Amino acid sequence: DAGITQSPRHKVTETGTPVTLRCHQTENHRYMYWYRQDPGHGLRLIHYSYGVKDTDKGEVSDGYSVSRSKTEDFLLTLESATSSQTSVYFCAIRDRVDEKLFFGSGTQLSVL
Amino acid sequence: AQSVTQLGSHVSVSEGALVLLRCNYSSSVPPYLFWYVQYPNQGLQLLLKYTTGATLVKGINGFEAEFKKSETSFHLTKPSAHMSDAAEYFCAVSDHGGSNYKLTFGKGTLLTVNP
Repeated sequence: DAGITQSPRHKVTETGTPVTLRCHQTENHRYMYWYRQDPGHGLRLIHYSYGVKDTDKGEVSDGYSVSRSKTEDFLLTLESATSSQTSVYFCAIRDRVDEKLFFGSGTQLSVL
Repeated sequence: AQSVTQLGSHVSVSEGALVLLRCNYSSSVPPYLFWYVQYPNQGLQLLLKYTTGATLVKGINGFEAEFKKSETSFHLTKPSAHMSDAAEYFCAVSDHGGSNYKLTFGKGTLLTVNP
């Protein structure tokens, strides 16, 4: 187990409400990532972080923001959720020595 | 910019048959290449990776892949499919330079194994 947890595991919310997803790691890895997974699209990168307070956009960042105030936590916020943001969200951490990503178990988000 | 194309969104094989999942990539730098597997209702797990060195890489569960630079390919194979191999498989390429490390995934190939 790579020591990465996502919360919540499932969430149902209404259009227009703010939503925050949390990713917590116990491995002290520098790089953390948020992906969304949708049928027919695979995994698409939303945002990533390469250190505390250092973040950058991925390919589908519109409508999302992130924050990383400490090494172990990487938060993904949907400022005003839309139905198109219904998806499964995965957090990942990168082992820089082994060059591989460890994934969390995912958050199923439904925006009604 | 980097990209990955997985040929075939769904591959069906019989138990004991050869598994071949195709992946082609595009990268402006020498690539790092990965195959990940996702079982139902789980996150992704690394099967194998190519960074440098030997172009034929072996992974877990009997899978292997060969990096062919001239063909920009990294196809995944397994000589004999098991029922437990049924899952979705993702090929990925990394831009491994500097602080802008990003991993780009293909759209995935769903592998079905028939008894």
